[in-house]
Amino acid sequence: DAEITQSPRHKITETGRQVTLACHQTWNHNNMFWYRQDLGHGLRLIHYSYGVHDTNKGEVSDGYSVSRSNTEDLPLTLESAASSQTSVYFCASAQTGILADTQYFGPGTRLTVL
Amino acid sequence: ILNVEQSPQSLHVQEGDSTNFTCSFPSSNFYALHWYRWETAKSPEALFVMTLNGDEKKKGRISATLNTKEGYSYLYIKGSQPEDSATYLCASLPNTGNQFYFGTGTSLTVIP
Repeated sequence: DAEITQSPRHKITETGRQVTLACHQTWNHNNMFWYRQDLGHGLRLIHYSYGVHDTNKGEVSDGYSVSRSNTEDLPLTLESAASSQTSVYFCASAQTGILADTQYFGPGTRLTVL
Repeated sequence: ILNVEQSPQSLHVQEGDSTNFTCSFPSSNFYALHWYRWETAKSPEALFVMTLNGDEKKKGRISATLNTKEGYSYLYIKGSQPEDSATYLCASLPNTGNQFYFGTGTSLTVIP
């Protein structure tokens, strides 16, 4: 069965370190997204990609970067982790455009920055 | 940034009760609305995609309606069961942008 996975599921790191969160989908979806979820906020979009080599900034992109070298993976990098980036991160994918297409979410990665 | 609001924030109902909650979004520039069901320790799962004013969608005991002119959608659960306990999220997509804006969710607890 097709799926979307994230790793690690839990991560503790220190301020200033570089951290990369992995997202892998086997749906063969063109579109992939990274969200963060914080208390009092809905899911907020960090970055998204419409296909290989395409990346776009979302609502809360500062301090994050992504790269898309193949269809299956969209790793999220925190260049220099900050305590404000402690959050739960969700990756999602959708098949063809996001206009009316359902997003399929991964299980989430809980990141703690000390 | 789009302001998507959901109410109530949380809800406790007895098993067998029917319930409903609201998602409000800016009516101007509306394109699509999604509803998701999010169980604790799991990932959000899609329920409905709605695009047209007056849309009604149904999946089992759960249904949703959409009013794009006034900017709201209702989610209804008929005869709530304990397994319906979850957070229900809505997300609005404007036609001027290319990202969804999520509400903060309604947390439903169904008491056996």
